Amino acid sequence: AQSVTQLGSHVSVSEGALVLLRCNYSSSVPPYLFWYVQYPNQGLQLLLKYTSAATLVKGINGFEAEFKKSETSFHLTKPSAHMSDAAEYFCAVSVDQGGGADGLTFGKGTHLIIQP
Amino acid sequence: DAGITQSPRHKVTETGTPVTLRCHQTENHRYMYWYRQDPGHGLRLIHYSYGVKDTDKGEVSDGYSVSRSKTEDFLLTLESATSSQTSVYFCAIRSQQGNTEAFFGQGTRLTVV
Repeated sequence: AQSVTQLGSHVSVSEGALVLLRCNYSSSVPPYLFWYVQYPNQGLQLLLKYTSAATLVKGINGFEAEFKKSETSFHLTKPSAHMSDAAEYFCAVSVDQGGGADGLTFGKGTHLIIQP
Repeated sequence: DAGITQSPRHKVTETGTPVTLRCHQTENHRYMYWYRQDPGHGLRLIHYSYGVKDTDKGEVSDGYSVSRSKTEDFLLTLESATSSQTSVYFCAIRSQQGNTEAFFGQGTRLTVV
Protein backbone atom coordinates (compact mmCIF):
# COMPACT_ATOMS: atom_id res chain seq x y z
CA ALA A 1 0.00 0.00 0.00
CA GLN A 2 1.11 3.55 -0.67
CA SER A 3 1.47 6.31 1.90
CA VAL A 4 2.32 10.00 2.17
CA THR A 5 4.10 11.90 4.93
CA GLN A 6 4.01 15.67 5.10
CA LEU A 7 6.67 17.06 7.40
CA GLY A 8 5.38 19.90 9.54
CA SER A 9 1.71 20.40 10.28
CA HIS A 10 2.32 24.16 10.32
CA VAL A 11 4.87 26.18 8.36
CA SER A 12 5.34 29.92 8.85
CA VAL A 13 7.23 32.15 6.40
CA SER A 14 7.53 35.88 5.89
CA GLU A 15 5.91 37.54 2.92
CA GLY A 16 8.42 37.50 0.07
CA ALA A 17 10.38 34.56 1.47
CA LEU A 18 10.80 31.11 -0.04
CA VAL A 19 8.02 28.63 0.60
CA LEU A 20 9.05 24.98 1.05
CA LEU A 21 6.48 22.34 1.97
CA ARG A 22 7.80 18.82 2.31
CA CYS A 23 6.21 15.61 1.10
CA ASN A 24 7.64 12.11 1.14
CA TYR A 25 5.88 9.10 -0.27
CA SER A 26 6.06 5.35 -0.09
CA SER A 27 4.95 3.17 -2.97
CA SER A 28 5.91 -0.24 -4.31
CA VAL A 29 5.00 0.76 -7.85
CA PRO A 30 5.67 3.96 -9.82
CA PRO A 31 3.56 6.70 -8.24
CA TYR A 32 1.68 9.68 -9.50
CA LEU A 33 1.86 12.64 -7.13
CA PHE A 34 -0.36 15.63 -6.54
CA TRP A 35 -0.42 18.82 -4.50
CA TYR A 36 -3.74 20.35 -3.56
CA VAL A 37 -4.56 23.64 -1.82
CA GLN A 38 -7.52 24.31 0.42
CA TYR A 39 -8.62 27.81 1.33
CA PRO A 40 -10.85 28.34 4.38
CA ASN A 41 -14.32 26.86 4.04
CA GLN A 42 -13.64 25.53 0.58
CA GLY A 43 -12.92 22.21 -1.07
CA LEU A 44 -9.51 21.14 -2.36
CA GLN A 45 -8.14 22.51 -5.62
CA LEU A 46 -5.37 20.97 -7.67
CA LEU A 47 -2.09 22.93 -7.62
CA LEU A 48 0.01 20.59 -9.74
CA LYS A 49 0.62 16.95 -10.51
CA TYR A 50 3.50 14.66 -11.47
CA THR A 51 2.65 12.05 -14.06
CA SER A 52 6.17 10.92 -15.07
CA ALA A 53 6.48 13.24 -18.07
CA ALA A 54 8.91 15.63 -16.31
CA THR A 55 10.39 15.60 -12.83
CA LEU A 56 10.02 19.37 -12.34
CA VAL A 57 6.37 20.30 -12.44
CA LYS A 58 4.99 23.81 -12.56
CA GLY A 59 1.58 24.60 -11.21
CA ILE A 60 -0.74 27.49 -10.62
CA ASN A 61 0.04 30.61 -8.59
CA GLY A 62 3.81 30.27 -9.09
CA PHE A 63 4.19 26.96 -7.27
CA GLU A 64 6.37 24.13 -8.49
CA ALA A 65 7.45 20.72 -7.24
CA GLU A 66 10.26 18.34 -8.09
CA PHE A 67 9.91 14.58 -8.11
CA LYS A 68 13.02 12.91 -6.68
CA LYS A 69 12.80 9.15 -6.89
CA SER A 70 16.03 8.55 -4.97
CA GLU A 71 14.68 10.57 -2.05
CA THR A 72 11.03 9.48 -2.50
CA SER A 73 10.12 13.13 -2.23
CA PHE A 74 7.86 15.61 -3.96
CA HIS A 75 8.45 18.91 -2.15
CA LEU A 76 6.43 21.99 -3.05
CA THR A 77 8.17 25.35 -3.46
CA LYS A 78 7.43 28.94 -4.34
CA PRO A 79 10.22 31.55 -4.62
CA SER A 80 8.34 34.40 -3.00
CA ALA A 81 5.41 33.99 -0.62
CA HIS A 82 2.34 36.16 -0.92
CA MET A 83 -0.28 36.76 1.73
CA SER A 84 -2.84 35.05 -0.49
CA ASP A 85 -0.84 31.80 -0.26
CA ALA A 86 -2.00 31.27 3.32
CA ALA A 87 -3.96 28.00 3.17
CA GLU A 88 -3.83 24.28 3.88
CA TYR A 89 -1.76 22.19 1.47
CA PHE A 90 -2.17 18.48 0.87
CA CYS A 91 0.16 16.08 -0.88
CA ALA A 92 -1.39 12.94 -2.42
CA VAL A 93 -0.08 9.80 -4.06
CA SER A 94 -1.89 7.67 -6.60
CA VAL A 95 -1.05 4.33 -8.16
CA ASP A 96 -2.67 2.16 -10.78
CA GLN A 97 -4.42 -0.76 -9.14
CA GLY A 98 -6.31 -3.61 -10.68
CA GLY A 99 -10.07 -3.85 -10.80
CA GLY A 100 -11.99 -1.24 -8.86
CA ALA A 101 -9.51 -0.81 -6.03
CA ASP A 102 -8.76 2.76 -5.10
CA GLY A 103 -5.20 4.01 -5.08
CA LEU A 104 -5.41 7.67 -3.97
CA THR A 105 -3.95 8.52 -0.59
CA PHE A 106 -3.61 11.95 1.05
CA GLY A 107 -1.16 13.30 3.58
CA LYS A 108 -2.34 14.99 6.77
CA GLY A 109 -1.82 18.46 5.38
CA THR A 110 0.42 21.44 6.12
CA HIS A 111 -1.02 24.76 7.21
CA LEU A 112 0.96 27.57 5.60
CA ILE A 113 1.07 30.83 7.54
CA ILE A 114 2.37 33.99 5.90
CA GLN A 115 3.79 36.64 8.21
CA PRO A 116 3.54 40.26 6.99
CA ASP B 1 -15.05 24.05 -12.09
CA ALA B 2 -15.95 20.38 -12.09
CA GLY B 3 -19.67 19.86 -11.64
CA ILE B 4 -19.95 18.55 -8.12
CA THR B 5 -22.69 19.51 -5.72
CA GLN B 6 -22.91 18.45 -2.12
CA SER B 7 -26.10 18.78 -0.12
CA PRO B 8 -26.77 19.91 2.44
CA ARG B 9 -23.85 22.28 3.03
CA HIS B 10 -24.53 22.49 6.74
CA LYS B 11 -26.47 20.23 9.06
CA VAL B 12 -27.01 19.92 12.77
CA THR B 13 -28.52 16.67 13.97
CA GLU B 14 -29.09 14.83 17.21
CA THR B 15 -27.22 11.78 18.43
CA GLY B 16 -28.88 8.57 17.32
CA THR B 17 -30.65 9.96 14.26
CA PRO B 18 -29.90 8.77 10.72
CA VAL B 19 -28.37 11.29 8.35
CA THR B 20 -27.86 11.16 4.59
CA LEU B 21 -25.48 13.36 2.66
CA ARG B 22 -25.73 13.62 -1.09
CA CYS B 23 -23.08 14.11 -3.75
CA HIS B 24 -24.18 14.87 -7.27
CA GLN B 25 -21.89 15.11 -10.30
CA THR B 26 -22.46 16.19 -13.87
CA GLU B 27 -19.09 14.96 -15.22
CA ASN B 28 -19.98 11.29 -15.74
CA HIS B 29 -16.84 10.27 -13.82
CA ARG B 30 -16.50 6.65 -12.82
CA TYR B 31 -15.00 7.12 -9.36
CA MET B 32 -16.69 8.89 -6.47
CA TYR B 33 -15.35 9.26 -2.95
CA TRP B 34 -16.46 10.34 0.50
CA TYR B 35 -13.82 11.77 2.85
CA ARG B 36 -14.02 13.30 6.26
CA GLN B 37 -11.67 16.07 7.35
CA ASP B 38 -10.72 16.57 10.97
CA PRO B 39 -7.96 18.70 12.51
CA GLY B 40 -4.74 16.74 12.78
CA HIS B 41 -6.02 13.88 10.63
CA GLY B 42 -6.13 15.39 7.18
CA LEU B 43 -8.48 13.70 4.75
CA ARG B 44 -9.58 10.20 5.59
CA LEU B 45 -11.40 8.02 3.11
CA ILE B 46 -14.76 6.68 4.28
CA HIS B 47 -16.07 4.84 1.21
CA TYR B 48 -15.62 5.05 -2.49
CA SER B 49 -17.40 3.86 -5.60
CA TYR B 50 -15.94 2.61 -8.85
CA GLY B 51 -19.23 2.31 -10.71
CA VAL B 52 -22.98 2.02 -10.28
CA LYS B 53 -23.66 -0.31 -7.34
CA ASP B 54 -19.90 -0.91 -6.96
CA THR B 55 -18.59 0.42 -3.68
CA ASP B 56 -15.86 -0.39 -1.21
CA LYS B 57 -14.76 0.59 2.26
CA GLY B 58 -12.09 3.09 3.07
CA GLU B 59 -10.00 3.75 6.13
CA VAL B 60 -12.81 4.92 8.45
CA SER B 61 -15.97 3.17 7.25
CA ASP B 62 -17.44 2.05 10.58
CA GLY B 63 -20.81 3.70 11.20
CA TYR B 64 -21.21 4.74 7.57
CA SER B 65 -22.88 3.21 4.54
CA VAL B 66 -23.08 4.35 0.94
CA SER B 67 -25.14 3.78 -2.14
CA ARG B 68 -24.74 4.55 -5.80
CA SER B 69 -27.76 3.70 -7.88
CA LYS B 70 -26.91 6.17 -10.66
CA THR B 71 -23.62 7.36 -12.08
CA GLU B 72 -24.25 10.91 -10.95
CA ASP B 73 -25.28 10.34 -7.33
CA PHE B 74 -23.33 8.99 -4.37
CA LEU B 75 -25.07 8.97 -1.01
CA LEU B 76 -23.41 8.73 2.39
CA THR B 77 -25.56 7.57 5.30
CA LEU B 78 -24.77 7.74 8.96
CA GLU B 79 -26.96 4.98 10.33
CA SER B 80 -27.12 6.40 13.86
CA ALA B 81 -25.15 9.61 14.21
CA THR B 82 -22.66 9.98 17.07
CA SER B 83 -20.72 13.00 18.29
CA SER B 84 -17.51 11.46 16.91
CA GLN B 85 -18.99 11.86 13.45
CA THR B 86 -19.05 15.64 13.78
CA SER B 87 -16.80 16.62 10.91
CA VAL B 88 -16.55 18.22 7.50
CA TYR B 89 -17.40 15.75 4.76
CA PHE B 90 -16.06 16.06 1.23
CA CYS B 91 -17.14 14.31 -1.90
CA ALA B 92 -14.67 13.87 -4.74
CA ILE B 93 -14.88 12.53 -8.26
CA ARG B 94 -12.29 11.13 -10.62
CA SER B 95 -12.48 9.81 -14.16
CA GLN B 96 -9.94 7.04 -13.67
CA GLN B 97 -7.14 5.90 -11.40
CA GLY B 98 -3.46 6.61 -11.81
CA ASN B 99 -2.49 9.97 -13.21
CA THR B 100 -5.84 11.74 -13.12
CA GLU B 101 -6.66 14.22 -10.40
CA ALA B 102 -9.68 14.15 -8.15
CA PHE B 103 -12.12 17.06 -8.09
CA PHE B 104 -13.70 18.04 -4.82
CA GLY B 105 -17.03 19.40 -3.73
CA GLN B 106 -17.39 22.33 -1.36
CA GLY B 107 -17.96 20.15 1.68
CA THR B 108 -20.73 19.51 4.18
CA ARG B 109 -20.26 20.61 7.77
CA LEU B 110 -22.08 18.14 10.00
CA THR B 111 -22.55 18.71 13.72
CA VAL B 112 -23.96 15.95 15.89
CA VAL B 113 -25.26 17.21 19.25
